[in-house]
Amino acid sequence: EVQLVESGGDLVKPGGSLRLSCAASGFTFTNAWMSWVRQAPGKGLEWVGRIKRKSDGGTTYYAAPVEGRFTISRDDSTNTLNLQMNSMKTEDTAVYYCTTEGAIVGYHALEIWGQGTTVTVSS
Amino acid sequence: QSALTQPASVSGSPGQSITISCTGTNSDVGRYNYVSWYQQHPGKAPKLIIYEVSNRPSGVSNRFSGSKSGNTASLTISGLQAEDEADYYCSSYTSSSPLVFGGGTKLTVL
Repeated sequence: EVQLVESGGDLVKPGGSLRLSCAASGFTFTNAWMSWVRQAPGKGLEWVGRIKRKSDGGTTYYAAPVEGRFTISRDDSTNTLNLQMNSMKTEDTAVYYCTTEGAIVGYHALEIWGQGTTVTVSS
Repeated sequence: QSALTQPASVSGSPGQSITISCTGTNSDVGRYNYVSWYQQHPGKAPKLIIYEVSNRPSGVSNRFSGSKSGNTASLTISGLQAEDEADYYCSSYTSSSPLVFGGGTKLTVL
């Protein structure tokens, strides 16, 4: 079964740090580009960032609001995607989803989604 | 990068067809055939229903179809069913960012 399972969501104070993880199974992780998407309470979807597969250089891309504060990494030996979030702001409060590209139908479409993990930034 | 523009809400009766628009620019929707559509039911994760403008992933009903004209992409749902009531989002590859979403459209089945 194709599956993504996020973990690590928590309550954190402004200025604090948090690390999210996403465990992948049921598809060839090394072939997939992986992305994070977030959704603030009652709001729409917001793309956070992407990491390409190693054979494409493992290049990372970030949305402007998180550039310089968030870091995406992947561990192909354990089929795990990570999101390190630093200098967090209240506006980072959201459900964070892990997603794939290129695992099922192709790139530039978010094919598989995890169930999401909730991050709350509040004092 | 500004979000793509979608209507906030649309509605239709069971059996009818509805269309949701997604308007971008010639730097995203108008330039690339990488428009996708996602369905999200309340409290659930989004689900990919259309990719590359008009392709359906395996298992997605053929009642869902996509198209594009100029800078505007469209999602059409035919034979509306109660289970189609959900939020719908479009996304596109852009020349300045890997991906941008529309603001979302709430579909109400009357």
